Amino acid sequence: TQLLEQSPQFLSIQEGENLTVYCNSSSVFSSLQWYRQEPGEGPVLLVTVVTGGEVKKLKRLTFQFGDARKDSSLHITAAQTGDTGLYLCAGAGTYGQNFVFGPGTRLSVLP
Amino acid sequence: DAGVIQSPRHEVTEMGQEVTLRCKPISGHDYLFWYRQTMMRGLELLIYFNNNVPIDDSGMPEDRFSAKMPNASFSTLKIQPSEPRDSAVYFCASSLATGFDEQYFGPGTRLTVT
Repeated sequence: TQLLEQSPQFLSIQEGENLTVYCNSSSVFSSLQWYRQEPGEGPVLLVTVVTGGEVKKLKRLTFQFGDARKDSSLHITAAQTGDTGLYLCAGAGTYGQNFVFGPGTRLSVLP
Repeated sequence: DAGVIQSPRHEVTEMGQEVTLRCKPISGHDYLFWYRQTMMRGLELLIYFNNNVPIDDSGMPEDRFSAKMPNASFSTLKIQPSEPRDSAVYFCASSLATGFDEQYFGPGTRLTVT
């Protein structure tokens, strides 16, 4: 069974600060996704990374997939209060099986 | 597009009662997923369908849970009989032929079993 760990579990920062959250596993993933979930809503897909070493940018968000495809990071530059939410990583095994979500990092950006 | 539609948004029921949750996926999407989210266990995949056929139901907790997809625009998740430990938010998601890679989630159904 593939497992994803995320760190930190909670993060509270001031508006304007930078932050990085991590998603790690001992298993190789064929692809990995990042979602953001706000209270009372379903997760919303931010990005999918598929190639080891891949870096994707989405405005102030930078996503990186580890070379070995076992880990990923999400960096937010100049955080805004609208970035507040639960950040979830998710992935499937080499052949698309055993799709799992990580436990999430709950981010709070204070004004 | 209206996105994934789930009903009801909230359900409160007594232990032992049957509960049916409903989902309408995005039109044209080939895959449909049912998830359960709790504080303790996070977001868990229960079952998923491809072209209305159940592909993997290994996440279904026990025989009290069943899911059907009679056509491309409708799916149900049924719990019979319900128990307090089934209390959770249940999400439905759908995706195109990309399978897991680009899922669109509904707003969820918050189930409380007393």
